[in-house]
Amino acid sequence: ETGVTQTPRHLVMGMTNKKSLKCEQHLGHNAMYWYKQSAKKPLELMFVYNFKEQTENNSVPSRFSPECPNSSHLFLHLHTLQPEDSALYLCASSQEGTNTGELFFGEGSRLTVL
Amino acid sequence: GQNIDQPTEMTATEGAIVQINCTYQTSGFNGLFWYQQHAGEAPTFLSYNVLDGLEEKGRFSSFLSRSKGYSYLLLKELQMKDSASYLCAVLDSNYQLIWGAGTKLIIKP
Repeated sequence: ETGVTQTPRHLVMGMTNKKSLKCEQHLGHNAMYWYKQSAKKPLELMFVYNFKEQTENNSVPSRFSPECPNSSHLFLHLHTLQPEDSALYLCASSQEGTNTGELFFGEGSRLTVL
Repeated sequence: GQNIDQPTEMTATEGAIVQINCTYQTSGFNGLFWYQQHAGEAPTFLSYNVLDGLEEKGRFSSFLSRSKGYSYLLLKELQMKDSASYLCAVLDSNYQLIWGAGTKLIIKP
């Protein structure tokens, strides 16, 4: 139990579907992140929210839409995805302002786009 | 460009010692992290180095040489549960984390 919970753990969707990934952190952190993890590739940072404000958008296609209603919850809304978007989507949180900025990850949502 | 290199896969024997290397080229340096990720699970923090030298934490140690752009993770007395991927990441001058692709460590009895 890392203190960061992601749902669903697995998701299969067609290219025309709309779905959402949810992340909740129970650690009182003020920053939350979405990462994409593909096999044998480095983690790709997608979005960063700091105190609910989006501070980073790493040129992510508009078919991925983040939402951060409060500092404990983060969503990733998905629509008209492509098969190459199939990957593990990891949510993480951290406490900005600490020396190390250690990230606490959720177990991820395994997405398959057919 | 920024780059983190680490071996894709390593194999070691239970009870032995293994060293996983990580070399980096980044714009600035504000620390290096090692994370462990078991298959199907969340990456978890192992170590953070910002000064040169060796940091020991039980069976795991992490070494850093900033002048060489080099770090290693040393795992002693290997156990089957150490089979996992090990991710190296560097915090650059903008406090952005640059990640390696990870090293899959396979432990054999």
